[in-house]
Formats: sequence, structure tokens, C-alpha cells
Amino acid sequence: AQKVTQAQTEISVVEKEDVTLDCVYETRDTTYYLFWYKQPPSGELVFLIRRNSFDEQNEISGRYSWNFQKSTSSFNFTITASQVVDSAVYFCALSEALGGTSYGKLTFGQGTILTVHP
Amino acid sequence: KAGVTQTPRYLIKTRGQQVTLSCSPISGHRSVSWYQQTPGQGLQFLFEYFSETQRNKGNFPGRFSGRQFSNSRSEMNVSTLELGDSALYLCASSYLRGRNTEAFFGQGTRLTVV
Repeated sequence: AQKVTQAQTEISVVEKEDVTLDCVYETRDTTYYLFWYKQPPSGELVFLIRRNSFDEQNEISGRYSWNFQKSTSSFNFTITASQVVDSAVYFCALSEALGGTSYGKLTFGQGTILTVHP
Repeated sequence: KAGVTQTPRYLIKTRGQQVTLSCSPISGHRSVSWYQQTPGQGLQFLFEYFSETQRNKGNFPGRFSGRQFSNSRSEMNVSTLELGDSALYLCASSYLRGRNTEAFFGQGTRLTVV
């Protein structure tokens, strides 16, 4: 069975601090996908990034960066120079690929509430 | 390009009633998945439809059902509502294209059962 653990329930930082959100996953699949989503108070899950299990390259997008390490089954997310607008709940998720045509079931972590104070 | 559209955004129903929620995926996406989000249980997978067929189902009672139409639009139905069904219901559409993949969610339907 697939499992995603986000050990940090809540994180509070002051603006401009760097913050890392941890994500550890478990799966027996050899091909899988990892995601990060942001959920602002409006409720919509905003897609941030998808990473394939066969691609361990780290990625940077502006102030966001992701570190994928298969050896430790981790997919951590770092926000550099955090801003108040980054305040939200962040979810890490894991999925298998069913027949190469969809993501199938997404297994989510419990989420990390990030609060960035001015 | 239009995103995932869920209707209605908010619903208030009475215990024992039934409810139908709708989800229109992104054009070209053939897979629609439904999720329930509650404060206690977090985000839980309900079911996934692909080309009008249910391919995967989560651990929910039979009161929760769904279907998908030929245009990929999906509906979710909950019969005999219980107070515990109060939640944010989210749908996601996706289509895997080689190494370029997408999985996008709608804004959700917030259901309150009283």
C-alpha cells in the first residue's frame, strides 16, 4: 500500500526566511509520480510540481525548489525567501500510473500548514 | 484553456437526502478522480473514472457512487446523507502524455449536511 508522511503539521516563519517542507513516501511500485500541491483558504488544490520516479533531477522554479531522493524515499520542498502569500496548506502526494494513461489514485500526506508572518 | 469546473460550489443538505455533484475536466483529459477532504481524515480518494469506466475505488460505503459521460464530465452521488459526509469534495482531471503529465483539481464543492 502507498503511504505519504508529512511529519510537520504546522510551520511558522517570518517573511524572508527559507523553509523546507518534508515528505517521505512508501510504495512498492517501480513507476510512480510525486506531487506537491498548495491549498490556499479558497480550497482549490493548486498544482506545483510533478516528479517521475525515473527522474531524480532536482528542480528549481523561482523561489521554489524540490529535492527528490529515491534512496531515502523523500521529496522535500523548499521555499526560499518566504513571503506572506506563501501561507497555505501544502500537500505532498503519490500516485501510480495506471496503464500509462492516468494518475489513478493519489495518496496524500496529511498536509503542512505554513504560516509566514510579515 | 479552461480549468476543472465543479458545480455547485456550496451545498447545504439535510440528513437523509441525496446529492449530486458535477465535475467537468480540462478539455482532452479523460480521467476524472474524486476526493473527499475533511479535517479529521484529510484528503481521501473516492473513485476514478476513465473513458466512462470506474477503474479504481477507495474505501467508502456504497452510498457514494459516480459515473462518467462520453464527454468525460463526471458526476458523484451520495445517497442517504449523514452528518459525517460534510466535507469539501474535490475532483481532479488528468492525462498522462509521455514524460509530460498533468493532474489538476477543481475548486471543490463544499457540502454541509445538517
